[in-house]
Amino acid sequence: EAGVTQFPSHSVIEKGQTVTLRCDPISGHDNLYWYRRVMGKEIKFLLHFVKESKQDESGMPNNRFLAERTGGTYSTLKVQPAELEDSGVYFCASSQDLLAASTDTQYFGPGTRLTVL
Amino acid sequence: DQQVKQNSPSLSVQEGRISILNCDYTNSMFDYFLWYKKYPAEGPTFLISISSIKDKNEDGRFTVFLNKSAKHLSLHIVPSQPGDSAVYFCAASLRDFGNEKLTFGTGTRLTIIP
Repeated sequence: EAGVTQFPSHSVIEKGQTVTLRCDPISGHDNLYWYRRVMGKEIKFLLHFVKESKQDESGMPNNRFLAERTGGTYSTLKVQPAELEDSGVYFCASSQDLLAASTDTQYFGPGTRLTVL
Repeated sequence: DQQVKQNSPSLSVQEGRISILNCDYTNSMFDYFLWYKKYPAEGPTFLISISSIKDKNEDGRFTVFLNKSAKHLSLHIVPSQPGDSAVYFCAASLRDFGNEKLTFGTGTRLTIIP
């Protein structure tokens, strides 16, 4: 079974540009999460999708960040325009629904390292 | 305001000995706790978890202890092996409230010395 995949693995852009990160969750996982780790600090929650619906977006830093999950499959996270403080590693995670499965463990992708210059 | 804290940024342990990683939390509503392990250039990998109704959970070489009154949990690895060298993250969630988002600590880098 394929794990969570993320693309690209690394992105370097200039301040003011736009970047779109993609996450493909494990097949059949309704829950999809985005997290971010900045400068070796803690991994911080950004938002949570259940299928195509945003369940919780309380961690989104500001309106420069836009996440979508059309069709309830893969998700994209767009940063427009990017600022220096957006640099960090963006992780995606997916899990099954706890009511439908014996575990709701979140499985993480390898992350996208975003560098804003 | 950091709700999950890992006060030791790094820890070195000799191979074969016990590794003890510590984690403190401030939100008494957290009811589910997890440990994730992370290798460089990879995402965090789930290691072990514990519900707030328990005080211990064991899985092979890994044991997690929870002290609710002290808002403290620890991960014991025994015996430690070179492959255990990684960054370990403590995480917590409000599962019973239907909120599974994870709140992480800053991580502890564990180095196992051969």
